[in-house]
Amino acid sequence: SQQGEEDPQALSIQEGENATMNCSYKTSINNLQWYRQNSGRGLVHLILIRSNEREKHSGRLRVTLDTSKKSSSLLITASRAADTASYFCATEGGVRGGFKTIFGAGTRLFVKA
Amino acid sequence: DVKVTQSSRYLVKRTGEKVFLECVQDMDHENMFWYRQDPGLGLRLIYFSYDVKMKEKGDIPEGYSVSREKKERFSLILESASTNQTSMYLCASSWGPLRGRNSPLHFGNGTRLTVT
Repeated sequence: SQQGEEDPQALSIQEGENATMNCSYKTSINNLQWYRQNSGRGLVHLILIRSNEREKHSGRLRVTLDTSKKSSSLLITASRAADTASYFCATEGGVRGGFKTIFGAGTRLFVKA
Repeated sequence: DVKVTQSSRYLVKRTGEKVFLECVQDMDHENMFWYRQDPGLGLRLIYFSYDVKMKEKGDIPEGYSVSREKKERFSLILESASTNQTSMYLCASSWGPLRGRNSPLHFGNGTRLTVT
């Protein structure tokens, strides 16, 4: 079962514009994470927001979390061609002392130079 | 920097073969995970482990098994490979709850497995 669902599935913007990606999930979470994946490579962690946080920043990234709506958004400001990648949200809910992190299907971002 | 190493980048196997995918991490992480990634489906969790010799089924464990004899190594085993197991396999690791709650995952570069 997929916990996180990203929207849109694909996004194409011009360099310098902002990119916003949304994620919805179904059950209670400990935290929500965003990852980036360049074509054919593994995922790289971008930012983690805890369930008791509402907003977090890291460089050009801004993440919000609304636990009442079970949704999150990732904003990339002043996008660059190098931001072209797939972006995934992932939710973690503790399981018997371990962690089960579930990913959505991702948003493919294309930034045109 | 955390390093998660998957033994093969590309692998081609025949239907019915037993396949081993190896993953090693160098950060003494407690948790280790195996995902498969298919177009349009994102990453789906196959198995995970939060300690040596411990394993938990993920969402799609059928046709797979795992082994964690040492903390740094987590192996995914396809007992009898089938064509529907052609996929990208991604290994990841993270801190366990005692040492790092809310710990992000660190991924290897993946193994692209083709079963013919």
